[in-house]
Amino acid sequence: IQLTQSPSFLSASVGDRVTITCRASQGISSYLVWYQQKPGKAPKLLIYAASTLQSGVPPRFSGSGSGTEFTLTISSLQSEDFATYYCQQLNSYPLTFGGGTKVEI
Amino acid sequence: QMQLVESGGGVVQPGGSLRLSCAASGFTFSSYGMHWVRQAPGKGLDWVAFIRYDGTNENYGDSVKGRFTISRDNSKNTLFLQMTSLRAEDTAVYYCAKDRRLRFLDASDIWGQGTMVTVSS
Repeated sequence: IQLTQSPSFLSASVGDRVTITCRASQGISSYLVWYQQKPGKAPKLLIYAASTLQSGVPPRFSGSGSGTEFTLTISSLQSEDFATYYCQQLNSYPLTFGGGTKVEI
Repeated sequence: QMQLVESGGGVVQPGGSLRLSCAASGFTFSSYGMHWVRQAPGKGLDWVAFIRYDGTNENYGDSVKGRFTISRDNSKNTLFLQMTSLRAEDTAVYYCAKDRRLRFLDASDIWGQGTMVTVSS
């Protein structure tokens, strides 16, 4: 299953509302995960099951979608949110990641 | 606290082999599925392999199937990745990661710091 993220790069400012899209090449129900990764660091789990916020993740992050189209929204971008975001599908093997969306200032 | 620490990375020639380890602590290792995920320099995440909590089932990415083997020793709280027939395109940081839920395939909530593997002559 191929995951296509858009955009690949996003320029934004603190306080902006940001939306990232992840499209699956076939239906994956809600088996979609979002991670955040900062340079030189391991990925951090943000959202699982398409829309469930991981414990400790700020509520400005939200996820939605099912089937083939999913979105990650940051309601009000903070300085610590500048990072690369990846989606991952857990519907079937081999598990796959999207190509990533880099959020830059 | 829950922690994963990878080791075993290094420089290896094309066609060579390497074994990575991932030491787990702070949780009941034998109750969780585990993954290996890699990231080539400047590139995105690439899922490598998964092993069930009890070691009875494994799955692999297409690019490593037949060359890499994931295994675990639940008595030593350690995950392994045996890599053979290494290619330049296997050069990457290799992360181990833990499933979020007991005994079910799920998102990875704990990740190690990564270990670098460089395949070069």
